[in-house]
Amino acid sequence: GIQVEQSPPDLILQEGANSTLRCNFSDSVNNLQWFHQNPWGQLINLFYIPSGTKQNGRLSATTVATERYSLLYISSSQTTDSGVYFCAVSPGGYQKVTFGIGTKLQVIP
Amino acid sequence: DTGVSQNPRHKITKRGQNVTFRCDPISEHNRLYWYRQTLGQGPEFLTYFQNEAQLEKSRLLSDRFSAERPKGSFSTLEIQRTEQGDSAMYLCASSARRISYGYTFGSGTRLTVV
Repeated sequence: GIQVEQSPPDLILQEGANSTLRCNFSDSVNNLQWFHQNPWGQLINLFYIPSGTKQNGRLSATTVATERYSLLYISSSQTTDSGVYFCAVSPGGYQKVTFGIGTKLQVIP
Repeated sequence: DTGVSQNPRHKITKRGQNVTFRCDPISEHNRLYWYRQTLGQGPEFLTYFQNEAQLEKSRLLSDRFSAERPKGSFSTLEIQRTEQGDSAMYLCASSARRISYGYTFGSGTRLTVV
């Protein structure tokens, strides 16, 4: 099956700092999503982005499908950004997605 | 639209007992997914429904696991003869026919087998 690698595994930031999270995948995909899992375990969908660039407030994401990677940018980080960020991919538009192991982010005041 | 609802939130059961979890997806979503997540790992796919049809089932889903989605609405996941290794967070997600909105997850059911 498709392999998903996320880096870095852990990240500690001072409030206000910017960061870039990376997701590499082993095969072409038609479905790529970024999720944030908050400290209470709730998974929130951030982006559906199989290709191109999207922005939502302080967050943006870029997927370069031909090179099999996606980047999630967090600007002006806040303590509420803490949690685990997952990349999830699927080679088909409507099939299951396979999750990476996540990047654990801690934003300190 | 109240999101994806999962019940119960927590379940503690003795080894060997059967448990059943329920998921109510967003009403207009025709696709429903079950995932399992253990500590420090990403969610792992268990099974997937399109309307009432179960279209894919992971090899992780042993014969002790069964899922249904009668009438294409809510879904249930049953685990028979629970084992300690079944302890995990069980997550349900749904998605619309137009996939570009991505998956919406419920809050999950935390199962502890003692």
